[in-house]
Order: sequence, then structure tokens, then C-alpha cells
Amino acid sequence: AQSVTQLGSHVSVSEGALVLLRCNYSSSVPPYLFWYVQYPNQGLQLLLKYTSAATLVKGINGFEAEFKKSETSFHLTKPSAHMSDAAEYFCAVSDMNRDDKIIFGKGTRLHILP
Amino acid sequence: NAGVTQTPKFRVLKTGQSMTLLCAQDMNHEYMYWYRQDPGMGLRLIHYSVGEGTTAKGEVPDGYNVSRLKKQNFLLGLESAAPSQTSVYFCASSSFRAGASSEQFFGPGTRLTVL
Repeated sequence: AQSVTQLGSHVSVSEGALVLLRCNYSSSVPPYLFWYVQYPNQGLQLLLKYTSAATLVKGINGFEAEFKKSETSFHLTKPSAHMSDAAEYFCAVSDMNRDDKIIFGKGTRLHILP
Repeated sequence: NAGVTQTPKFRVLKTGQSMTLLCAQDMNHEYMYWYRQDPGMGLRLIHYSVGEGTTAKGEVPDGYNVSRLKKQNFLLGLESAAPSQTSVYFCASSSFRAGASSEQFFGPGTRLTVL
């Protein structure tokens, strides 16, 4: 069965500092991997996704993630945090053979300190 | 395009009452999903549909029913609400592309409280 584990339910970084949100996955087949962001009182929106084309994936708002098969990881990074990045971030994995269903991690809430 | 819309945005029910949540999408997507979001639990799939007239159970289907009579609409029903169903409910949709996992588009959510 597929699963994702997000390390840290809350992460705090200072404005201008590096953002690193960790995600490890478990999958018996080559996975598709996603990062979604949820701003307060809103639905989720896609930040980026990995579909085996390139291991380093660039997303919106300056975020990127690197797929590392040897570490079964897909960590999300941003070089310089902005106050507007405060949100909850979800890592997710999909098995393309199973009705396009996505399995979400429990989420990491990112706090930006002024 | 409105994308994915959900009705209502908020609702308070008493235990035992019933209600229906409506999800509508105008992107002509084949797949639609209902999730619930609870603190510290992430999103959990309740039911989903791969096309008009079809539905399937997700991870937490008990206490819910769904219908997909029209391609653009996906209804989630609670026949006898329980306090454990207090949650934020999200609908999502995606297009079918063989061999490729496509992005799911989410609605703004419905906040349901069951007293």
C-alpha cells in the first residue's frame, strides 16, 4: 500500500530563511508525487508534481522539490521564505493504476517569523 | 470558469439529522472525489467517482452515501449525522489521462458541525 510521511506537523522559519518541508513515501510501483498548499479557509491547490520526467521539479511561488529514489524522499524547499508562504502543506502520492486516487500526508503547517 | 464549487459553505446539524452536500465542476472532468479534513489527520477519501453513474468507496465511507447522476455534479449525503462527522469536507475533480496521474482541483470546502 502506498503512504506518505511528513516529518513535523509544524515548522517555523524566519522570513528570508530557507524553507525545508520533509516528505518520505512508500510505494511498490514508480509513484507520482505531489505537493499541495492550503491557505487559511481555502481548498488545496497544486504546488508541483513529479511524474518521472525530471527529478528536480519546480513549482509555483518559488518552491521546488527533488525526487530521491534511494531515499524515498520528495522534500519541498524554497530558498527564501516570505510571510505569504504561511500555510499548510500536504505531500501526496498516487498510484496511476488505481483510479487516479491520491493518498495525502497529514500535513505540515508552516509558520513564518518576522 | 468557476472550477469546483461546493454548497453550502457552512452547516450546523443536530445528531440524527440528514443533509446533502453538493459539488459541481465546470471543467468536464471524469473523476470526482469527496474528502474530509480533520486536524492532524490530513485529507481522507470518503467516496469517489470515475464517471457519470459510477461511485466507489474510499478510505472512510461509513455513514456517507454519494450519487453522480450528472457528470458535473457529485452529491455527498449524510443520512443520520453523528458528532464524529463534524469536519471540513472537500470535493475535488480531475480529468482522466491514461497512464498519467493528473492534478486534482479542489473546491473551497464545507464546514460541518454536528451537535
